[in-house]
Amino acid sequence: DAGVTQSPTHLIKTRGQQVTLRCSPKSGHDTVSWYQQALGQGPQFIFQYYEEEERQRGNFPDRFSGHQFPNYSSELNVNALLLGDSALYLCASSGRGGYRGYTFGSGTRLTVV
Amino acid sequence: AQRVTQPEKLLSVFKGAPVELKCNYSYSGSPELFWYVQYSRQRLQLLLRHISRESIKGFTADLNKGETSFHLKKPFAQEEDSAMYYCALSGPIQGAQKLVFGQGTRLTINP
Repeated sequence: DAGVTQSPTHLIKTRGQQVTLRCSPKSGHDTVSWYQQALGQGPQFIFQYYEEEERQRGNFPDRFSGHQFPNYSSELNVNALLLGDSALYLCASSGRGGYRGYTFGSGTRLTVV
Repeated sequence: AQRVTQPEKLLSVFKGAPVELKCNYSYSGSPELFWYVQYSRQRLQLLLRHISRESIKGFTADLNKGETSFHLKKPFAQEEDSAMYYCALSGPIQGAQKLVFGQGTRLTINP
């Protein structure tokens, strides 16, 4: 089991561009959450997807959007990139039945220049 | 408001010495508390959950609801314990399991 896989691992984008990050959850997991981790900070919750719907959202602008596919994989889209969006983006998956222990991916390092 | 505070960004102790990483939280109700660890060049992983009341790698953490704390302890530190440690909480609301993280504490164990 490869656990949670994220792609790409690194990405450099220009201010104003759009970016899509991808996540495949751990086998058997059906819930995907996305976190943003700025340098020197703890991860901050962006949103969570379950049954292809956004179930909960953190304090992030509408420029951040997502999607979950029938196979439980997920995408994070960020429009109109700002320099402040530079961060490590983490995907975490969890299983059914209210299990609360997340499995994290290695993250995608996004740099906006 | 939900908040997790880890007052120490850096903590350095000698091998064999006791370790305590502090975590305080703010939450209206009964949260679930976690400690996550990130070793060098590895992904974030769950160390322990308060609800399971288990000891992992010699670490324990006791939830003190009166002091709203969930400090992580180990009686004898080992060099392989050097890592970044994050305290986190989640609410008990069914189906809403977002984690709120502290800023993290970088633990360094000196030989």
